[in-house]
Amino acid sequence: DGGITQSPKYLFRKEGQNVTLSCEQNLNHDAMYWYRQDPGQGLRLIYYSQIVNDFQKGDIAEGYSVSREKKESFPLTVTSAQKNPTAFYLCASSIDNRGRYSNQPQHFGDGTRLSIL
Amino acid sequence: AQSVTQPDIHITVSEGASLELRCNYSYGATPYLFWYVQSPGQGLQLLLKYFSGDTLVQGIKGFEAEFKRSQSSFNLRKPSVHWSDAAEYFCAVGGRSGGSNYKLTFGKGTLLTVNP
Repeated sequence: DGGITQSPKYLFRKEGQNVTLSCEQNLNHDAMYWYRQDPGQGLRLIYYSQIVNDFQKGDIAEGYSVSREKKESFPLTVTSAQKNPTAFYLCASSIDNRGRYSNQPQHFGDGTRLSIL
Repeated sequence: AQSVTQPDIHITVSEGASLELRCNYSYGATPYLFWYVQSPGQGLQLLLKYFSGDTLVQGIKGFEAEFKRSQSSFNLRKPSVHWSDAAEYFCAVGGRSGGSNYKLTFGKGTLLTVNP
């Protein structure tokens, strides 16, 4: 079955440490997204990528970095500059949103919960 | 800028009762509208979407939603709620923001509790 796989499901970060969250999709989607979810805040967009080797900042990109070297993969690094990293992180993908497919819905993984030790 | 408001943070209904979850949006053009559901510790699942045409759209799990342009609303309804419907529900509006880039903007969610 096609889908989005996020790993690990739970992750703990020490002070001053960078951690990387994995997101892999086998839906052959061009666009991929990272969201942060905090209780009562809904989903906020961190970064998104519409094609390989290209990505743009979302609404809350500070303290995060991404790469898009392969179509299937869009890892998110939470750096030590992110002072409040405790949250639920969701990865999503969709068919290309740049052209006539701009109304395509996003498909979500099951999330990674990040906590500070 | 586009925005979504879900006025109800938490709703409690009895099993078998009808349900309506409210969603109001702000967007300058014809919006693309979505409802997603999230079970605890899980990702989001698409319930239904509105792009154009018939303003009453049917989704999965017996849900439907009605687009009302005059009220800028896209309320989600279900005639008879089941205990398995207990979850958090998110309304989202899609559109182009800040140029050519398309993005989804989510509401803050409505938590649904179902009493037996």
